[in-house]
Amino acid sequence: GAVVSQHPSRVICKSGTSVKIECRSLDFQATTMFWYRQFPKQSLMLMATSNEGSKATYEQGVEKDKFLINHASLTLSTLTVTSAHPEDSSFYICSHTGPDTQYFGPGTRLTVL
Amino acid sequence: AQSVTQLGSHVSVSEGALVLLRCNYSSSVPPYLFWYVQYPNQGLQLLLKYTTGATLVKGINGFEAEFKKSETSFHLTKPSAHMSDAAEYFCAVSDLAGGTSYGKLTFGQGTILTVHP
Repeated sequence: GAVVSQHPSRVICKSGTSVKIECRSLDFQATTMFWYRQFPKQSLMLMATSNEGSKATYEQGVEKDKFLINHASLTLSTLTVTSAHPEDSSFYICSHTGPDTQYFGPGTRLTVL
Repeated sequence: AQSVTQLGSHVSVSEGALVLLRCNYSSSVPPYLFWYVQYPNQGLQLLLKYTTGATLVKGINGFEAEFKKSETSFHLTKPSAHMSDAAEYFCAVSDLAGGTSYGKLTFGQGTILTVHP
């Protein structure tokens, strides 16, 4: 199946700083990527749909100015958490739609102090 | 709108015993249904999926699931549990809006499977 990588795998930052997470599709040209957030002991919640070359579509309740998404190429989408706060600490997972299902990255653990 | 409910956040079985993880869904359109497994510190891996056709679908690692429209269920089973099956399992339903076959996924809350000797 398709391979998706995320970088970094873990990041710890101070409150008020911004953090960028990269999601790469290693063997598939993904016009659409998805960003999910998973809080401890909870399920994955879709944050936004990232479309190559156009603006991302955000789910209800997700602040687009706080979670900046850029999908400039068919193999790379980035999520920037701006002015991060402790409540943004979570596990962020990206995925893209492949020929038969979605393929998920290994996730990025963000801890905001 | 779609939703998924997984009954039981934790399931514990003995090695060699039957595994049954329950999933019920609601969808206003014919659903695409998925089961994913997540091992610690790894991304989700597809176990199996139902799209159309045969309602009993077989997946990897000996797992299978049966789509029952009348019960709006898609329970995951495995006849004999192995220690390596210990992980978290997620049931999901796909949004078919806009003609996208594998669009947005709505996940259940997850079920942690523990297998003891």
